[in-house]
Amino acid sequence: SQTIHQWPATLVQPVGSPLSLECTVEGTSNPNLYWYRQAAGRGLQLLFYSVGIGQISSEVPQNLSASRPQDRQFILSSKKLLLSDSGFYLCAGTEGKTQYFGPGTRLLVL
Amino acid sequence: AQKITQTQPGMFVQEKEAVTLDCTYDTSDPSYGLFWYKQPSSGEMIFLIYQGSYDQQNATEGRYSLNFQKARKSANLVISASQLGDSAMYFCAMREGGGNKLVFGAGTILRVKS
Repeated sequence: SQTIHQWPATLVQPVGSPLSLECTVEGTSNPNLYWYRQAAGRGLQLLFYSVGIGQISSEVPQNLSASRPQDRQFILSSKKLLLSDSGFYLCAGTEGKTQYFGPGTRLLVL
Repeated sequence: AQKITQTQPGMFVQEKEAVTLDCTYDTSDPSYGLFWYKQPSSGEMIFLIYQGSYDQQNATEGRYSLNFQKARKSANLVISASQLGDSAMYFCAMREGGGNKLVFGAGTILRVKS
């Protein structure tokens, strides 16, 4: 079965600074990968998904971007963070019909 | 319109009792999948159970069962013999058609009392 790794676990960044969150997958090949954001006490919002290397679909217009440079690597980025980018970011990958999630990254933008 | 509706923001249950967490969904696609995830305070999303729209029987996984009522478009999660470790946020989610994207409900916070 696959394992999703995310780092860092926690990040505090100033407004206007860049961002790079990394997600890696082991135990499977060519998974569909997803980035979600969860605001405090809320549900998950799908930000991006990828069906393969270099293939990124954006679900909502925003300040963030995603890239998939390798089959098992999915990166979430921003050139300039906004206060509203604060939240809990979760990476997920599919195995069969089910999505499995990584441990998440808590981002606080000050 | 909301695709997934969880009407219970919070629930309490006594330890060792059963509890039902409600979920209704909205789709016109005849092929879909329904999922339940548990999110403890640590934040990780833990997959619990899956029900396909064409599955004839309700899904079960240990103490978790899914009460699937297709005509009512409901997919309630039943947790039997509640334990203190069941205290968490629970999310219902749906995948439509052949895609892999999930739409999540707003979640229900469950607190198990000793």
